[in-house]
Amino acid sequence: GESVGLHLPTLSVQEGDNSIINCAYSNSASDYFIWYKQESGKGPQFIIDIRSNMDKRQGQRVTVLLNKTVKHLSLQIAATQPGDSAVYFCAEADSGGYQKVTFGTGTKLQVIP
Amino acid sequence: GAGVSQSPSNKVTEKGKDVELRCDPISGHTALYWYRQSLGQGLEFLIYFQGNSAPDKSGLPSDRFSAERTGGSVSTLTIQRTQQEDSAVYLCASSLDSPGVGPQHFGDGTRLSIL
Repeated sequence: GESVGLHLPTLSVQEGDNSIINCAYSNSASDYFIWYKQESGKGPQFIIDIRSNMDKRQGQRVTVLLNKTVKHLSLQIAATQPGDSAVYFCAEADSGGYQKVTFGTGTKLQVIP
Repeated sequence: GAGVSQSPSNKVTEKGKDVELRCDPISGHTALYWYRQSLGQGLEFLIYFQGNSAPDKSGLPSDRFSAERTGGSVSTLTIQRTQQEDSAVYLCASSLDSPGVGPQHFGDGTRLSIL
């Protein structure tokens, strides 16, 4: 079946370094992609999204890259801070009709002070 | 704030009891979703509401689970005759429109423990 998955379950990064979290998707009909951050005991928090007519979108310290050819999504966090430590989920949806949002399994980001 | 609100934040109950979980979405959001998250796991979709109707309830694990939404706003998720495997965090989210239009905004969940 269709799936959204992550390559790395845990990522450890030195404070101040850049982080890259990867995600693979397999539903070719998906055209809307979202990244969420989930801190312990909290619900997922929206970070950034991107539509399939774009291959890059930037926010504050975050950049999402979309490669439709290989069905790959990545989240880049610049100058990683201790407050970035959390689990990050990618998600996909098809805006052309109702398709429930499919979430990946998550990557835990650990920032080493 | 004006975020998604869920209650109770924690619920401990005995096996076999019924529980009701509440979600207050962001005002004006027509779409509402329920998910279940087990410890250290991803999000398991349960049900999606558009207004008061549920076009997709395919994720409800059994007929012990039901949900309703009234007035296009508040939603309740009911679990009857709870089992230990029902223990999880139940998350509610809302979005302005259908899933592909914009991001979902989540509450902090109800942590359900079945003894």
